Amino acid sequence: KNQVEQSPQSLIILEGKNCTLQCNYTVSPFSNLRWYKQDTGRGPVSLTIMTFSENTKSNGRYTATLDADTKQSSLHITASQLSDSASYICVVPPLWYAGGTSYGKLTFGQGTILTVHP
Amino acid sequence: DADVTQTPRNRITKTGKRIMLECSQTKGHDRMYWYRQDPGLGLRLIYYSFDVKDINKGEISDGYSVSRQAQAKFSLSLESAIPNQTALYFCATSVSGAGGELFFGEGSRLTVL
Repeated sequence: KNQVEQSPQSLIILEGKNCTLQCNYTVSPFSNLRWYKQDTGRGPVSLTIMTFSENTKSNGRYTATLDADTKQSSLHITASQLSDSASYICVVPPLWYAGGTSYGKLTFGQGTILTVHP
Repeated sequence: DADVTQTPRNRITKTGKRIMLECSQTKGHDRMYWYRQDPGLGLRLIYYSFDVKDINKGEISDGYSVSRQAQAKFSLSLESAIPNQTALYFCATSVSGAGGELFFGEGSRLTVL
């Protein structure tokens, strides 16, 4: 069964500190991995997508990494801000999805709840 | 205005009542989805539609039905609501093709008493 496991489940840090969120997946074959940010009471919004050939990608203070050999991805947040408080969700579709045959097989992680305190 | 709009945003109802959650989008996307989110469980797919004539069950479709009235409109119905259908419901859209991004609505919080 395809699975996506995220850790930690929740994390509390002080404003200005860095943190790293983890995503391990067993989805195979692999196409890509996407990180979403979900603010409380809002819908998830895409932060970044990692394809098979990419190791690192940055989006402002967010840096995602991917190790396709160990099937792990991480999301590193630098110099955290109060607005970073949110749930971060890892999503992985299987390779055959890449052909557009079905979005119904996306596998969502349960998310990491990040709280940034002043 | 939001690209993906859900109504109502909040609803409290009683067991046995029929409930409809509506979703409309201005993104021009063909694909639309209904997800349910429960604490600690992540997002789970209820139904998805690739076009007006194509509707598919997701992993948790029991107790739900949908209607794709137009390319831009996708409604979710609970024919006879039960308390374990209390959850946050999200509509989403996407374009076809590999690695497509999902665009979510703001969510509809449903409480069944």
